[in-house]
Amino acid sequence: EPEVTQTPSHQVTQMGQEVILRCVPISNHLYFYWYRQILGQKVEFLVSFYNNEISEKSEIFDDQFSVERPDGSNFTLKIRSTKLEDSAMYFCASSGRTGSTEAFFGQGTRLTVV
Amino acid sequence: LAKTTQPISMDSYEGQEVNITCSHNNIATNDYITWYQQFPSQGPRFIIQGYKTKVTNEVASLFIPADRKSSTLSLPRVSLSDTAVYYCLVATPERQLTFGSGTQLTVLP
Repeated sequence: EPEVTQTPSHQVTQMGQEVILRCVPISNHLYFYWYRQILGQKVEFLVSFYNNEISEKSEIFDDQFSVERPDGSNFTLKIRSTKLEDSAMYFCASSGRTGSTEAFFGQGTRLTVV
Repeated sequence: LAKTTQPISMDSYEGQEVNITCSHNNIATNDYITWYQQFPSQGPRFIIQGYKTKVTNEVASLFIPADRKSSTLSLPRVSLSDTAVYYCLVATPERQLTFGSGTQLTVLP
């Protein structure tokens, strides 16, 4: 069964450093998303990406965040200058069927900012 | 975005049928009702989607009354491995998913 893969599974970084979280969505999918979940809290939407541009973003997704689909297979989330409060599990998701609310989520990257 | 209300937690025993009810009084015409499951330290996993009446797949059934202001997820014959958080969402296809706090289902032996 096709799946969304994310790397790394765990990233530890120092406050102020840049991090790039990587995702390989399912190959024929057209819609891509990033979500995050702070430990013990809700899953929060960050951004959606379609047709090589951002289609929606939340208030969390400020100027410190950016997304890219550099080569037609990878989908990346960059945090320019990490803060302690960016520590969370980051999930990439993709969907491919129009008219469906089914999104396929990756296993997540646990980001720890120290 | 329509808000959903569901129980914080439920307990059940192995082999029983579990019904989790969700209310969504302000659901919009374009919204579908969709349910996701999440295990600890894993991404959410889609279970089922419906617009109205009843939908059934290999793992669950979804009952939606005519007014669409509520829905019930039915899990037949649960096992210990069904212990997870279950989220009820109202969502427009291809757009962002808004997760609430979900229902923690604990299946006991």
